Amino acid sequence: SQQGEEDPQALSIQEGENATMNCSYKTSINNLQWYRQNSGRGLVHLILIRSNEREKHSGRLRVTLDTSKKSSSLLITASRAADTASYFCATASYNQGGKLIFGQGTELSVKP
Amino acid sequence: DAMVIQNPRYQVTQFGKPVTLSCSQTLNHNVMYWYQQKSSQAPKLLFHYYDKDFNNEADTPDNFQSRRPNTSFCFLDIRSPGLGDAAMYLCATSRGGSSMYEQYFGPGTRLTVT
Repeated sequence: SQQGEEDPQALSIQEGENATMNCSYKTSINNLQWYRQNSGRGLVHLILIRSNEREKHSGRLRVTLDTSKKSSSLLITASRAADTASYFCATASYNQGGKLIFGQGTELSVKP
Repeated sequence: DAMVIQNPRYQVTQFGKPVTLSCSQTLNHNVMYWYQQKSSQAPKLLFHYYDKDFNNEADTPDNFQSRRPNTSFCFLDIRSPGLGDAAMYLCATSRGGSSMYEQYFGPGTRLTVT
């Protein structure tokens, strides 16, 4: 069953601009994870944010989590053409049997 | 480098002809997962192993089976592939359940059914 819904489905920006992707989910979670997938490749883990955390940073990535609104956002600052990929949020909770439930993803295109 | 390896990267099989996809890991992780991902869709979990304990998703077709002979290797067997089984198959590992840990993915095997 799908837990996360992502918005927008597709995003096209110029190099140097910031990209923001949003994820909403339905049930309580232990953590929320963001993954990147380049075309035709496997997924790469970006950030894991736990339910008791509100914000995490990793390089040019910033993730926020609002458990009261059941939503998360991923911000990529100063985007580069190499950031072009699909980005997925995924939720994990004990009552999901330790599985990840993925959203449908946001397809990001960064134009040079 | 520690990693998740999938072979082959591309597999073509005929309708109804059994096919096996393989995954190996050098991370020594307890948990191994198999996902199916169709074009422009989210990965869909088929099953996972926690050590030797097999966990099948309720909606995984009986046509799909899996084996984990040891910690390092996991196989996905599709007994009678149909056209609808054409997809990217992703193997992933994690140190424990994803309630606590991130998953590490292999590059995927793209399956074509003719």
